[in-house]
Amino acid sequence: RKEVEQDPGPFNVPEGATVAFNCTYSNSASQSFFWYRQDCRKEPKLLMSVYSSGNEDGRFTAQLNRASQYISLLIRDSKLSDSATYLCVVNGSSASKIIFGSGTRLSIRP
Amino acid sequence: DTEVTQTPKHLVMGMTNKKSLKCEQHMGHRAMYWYKQKAKKPPELMFVYSYEKLSINESVPSRFSPECPNSSLLNLHLHALQPEDSALYLCASSQAASRAAHEQYFGPGTRLTVT
Repeated sequence: RKEVEQDPGPFNVPEGATVAFNCTYSNSASQSFFWYRQDCRKEPKLLMSVYSSGNEDGRFTAQLNRASQYISLLIRDSKLSDSATYLCVVNGSSASKIIFGSGTRLSIRP
Repeated sequence: DTEVTQTPKHLVMGMTNKKSLKCEQHMGHRAMYWYKQKAKKPPELMFVYSYEKLSINESVPSRFSPECPNSSLLNLHLHALQPEDSALYLCASSQAASRAAHEQYFGPGTRLTVT
């Protein structure tokens, strides 16, 4: 089983739609969780950290479910500019080592 | 200022060349990282420096040699690379490499082609 698993997509949704991604992780001792986005041929950019109680940043909501070992990202009122690959990131066996999921491709159509 | 800079942006080198990639951050971060990313794949960790000391080497071949001259700078020396080493090389930094991983900030990367 991979340490971090994501549905690769692609998700193709109309502008204004709500879309959600899940990401599962295998190390129950993981403490740090993040969502990054990566545009084509660019570097990953931190979208948001994921906190135990869940957190929201504008149209983006992140949730953590420790019992089932997954994190989720919800995007409301999606914009064309949200088209990107979304990478789930979890710290691994060593706290200084983070593990990237393979990414979920999202494409927003007009 | 959450900027990490990398030079060069693009590099083409032959298999017998020696070259270096450079990374710089001025955020006071004490952990710096090198990643390798192939097309349509996630970044793969290569090295972690914590307080200017190498703390993680992910079994990277010795033709890649990292160096951390000071807390703001990170280099990756390249020698006798293979064509399969062609990739995007990303540098990142974070506050520290401690018990809980901190948010990492990435530079724009160096796109390396080995001929």
